[in-house]
Amino acid sequence: DAGVIQSPRHEVTEMGQEVTLRCKPISGHNSLFWYRQTMMRGLELLIYFNNNVPIDDSGMPEDRFSAKMPNASFSTLKIQPSEPRDSAVYFCASSYVVAGLGEQYFGPGTRLTVT
Amino acid sequence: GENVEQHPSTLSVQEGDSAVIKCTYSDSASNYFPWYKQELGKGPQLIIDIRSNVGEKKDQRIAVTLNKTAKHFSLHITETQPEDSAVYFCAASQGSYIPTFGRGTSLIVHP
Repeated sequence: DAGVIQSPRHEVTEMGQEVTLRCKPISGHNSLFWYRQTMMRGLELLIYFNNNVPIDDSGMPEDRFSAKMPNASFSTLKIQPSEPRDSAVYFCASSYVVAGLGEQYFGPGTRLTVT
Repeated sequence: GENVEQHPSTLSVQEGDSAVIKCTYSDSASNYFPWYKQELGKGPQLIIDIRSNVGEKKDQRIAVTLNKTAKHFSLHITETQPEDSAVYFCAASQGSYIPTFGRGTSLIVHP
C-alpha cells in the first residue's frame, strides 16, 4: 500500500484566502484523523472520523475550520478564511479500529504558510 | 483528560552512546503507550509500543519500559547511530484509538 497520501505537500496563500487540504487514507482503514503541528503547541488532534462519520471535532480551533469525509477513501480539511496563525504542518492519519484498538499511520503532512 | 509530559525537549549524544527519553502521564486508565519517530519533512511513524500488562519490551536497539504505579514510561535507544537523529514522541491512551502526544524530543546523534 502507498500509505496515507496528502496533497498538496506545501501550500502558500494570502490571508483571507480559502485553503483546502486533502487526504487519502490507507485502503481498508475505518478511521481518519486530522492533526496540526506547531512549535508552540506540538501535535494537536483537530477532528477524527469513524466509518466516514465525524466523531469528535472539539479540537477544531474555530468555525473557520471544517472537515469532510464524503467516502472511505477521501477527506478534506478546509480553512476559510485563512489567517497567518493557521500556518502549521497539517497531518492526516488513518487506522483500522476494532474494539477500540488501532494503530495510527500518518501521512507526510501539508506545510501551510499563510502570509 | 490525559496529559503527557515528555523530557528532555532536546537530547544530544555521540554515536554509539545510549539515549533515554522519559514521559509521564496523568490518567491511570491509560493502557497503551506508543512511541513515534518523526524524521525531517515526514509524518510521525510508530516505532514501538507497550501495553499496560507488560513492563518492558525490546526491539533490536530500542526498548521501552513502563512503570504503571509511578505513571511513567521511557524509551531507550542503545548504540545510537546518526540515522537515529529525529524527533521522538511518546503518547498515551485507553486502547490505541486516540493517543495524547507528548511535546516531542529532538534527538541529535553526532558522528
